[in-house]
Amino acid sequence: DIQMTQSPSSLSSSVGDRVTITCRASQGISNSLAWYQQTPGRAPKLLLYVASRLESGVPSRFSGSGSGTDYTLTISSLQPEDFATYYCQQYYSSPRTFGQGTKVEIK
Amino acid sequence: EVQLLESGGGLVQPGGSLRLSCVASGFIFSNYPMSWVRQAPGKGLEWVSSISGSGGTTYYTDSMKGRFTISRDNSKNTLYLQLNSLRAEDTAVYYCARAQGLLYFDCWGQGTLVIVSS
Repeated sequence: DIQMTQSPSSLSSSVGDRVTITCRASQGISNSLAWYQQTPGRAPKLLLYVASRLESGVPSRFSGSGSGTDYTLTISSLQPEDFATYYCQQYYSSPRTFGQGTKVEIK
Repeated sequence: EVQLLESGGGLVQPGGSLRLSCVASGFIFSNYPMSWVRQAPGKGLEWVSSISGSGGTTYYTDSMKGRFTISRDNSKNTLYLQLNSLRAEDTAVYYCARAQGLLYFDCWGQGTLVIVSS
């Protein structure tokens, strides 16, 4: 199974900050990566797929990049509704696996 | 609007069984593979199982193979997950999700909570 490791596990930031979350795969996944946002008590929401393609309706302050084993999710200017937990997920091979999550908290 | 509505969760004793359901609306159900993803309390996301649009092909994570069975009834726009031989570690919120090409999950239900406890 491909292991997905996110860093950091949590971070504290202020509204307006630029935030970057990293996801590292245990082997190359050829951009077969999705990012999700989950707020407490709610279902996850797809943000990006193919590492950098924005899902319809997702604000453009979210962006993704990377290649090989290393990928990043960037929020260019953190908004109050962005305080949540973010997960990466690889779909290069089965089983589909998720990172452990990164919790973005208010500073 | 795409909607997925799960039901069937609840409290069950270890070794017991449950059948989860997920009713879909707002899209042509039979055109899409579907999946179940679970989340233990306070933990991350774990893919459980997927099924092709026709229902002819199913996929499972190894640890659940043989205990869980995914199925669908396209005439009823409904996805199912039969959970057997339940263990305490199966306690989780179970989400139904639409799987784009069996790859990533673009729409999710609100989840149904399964608690395995004596």
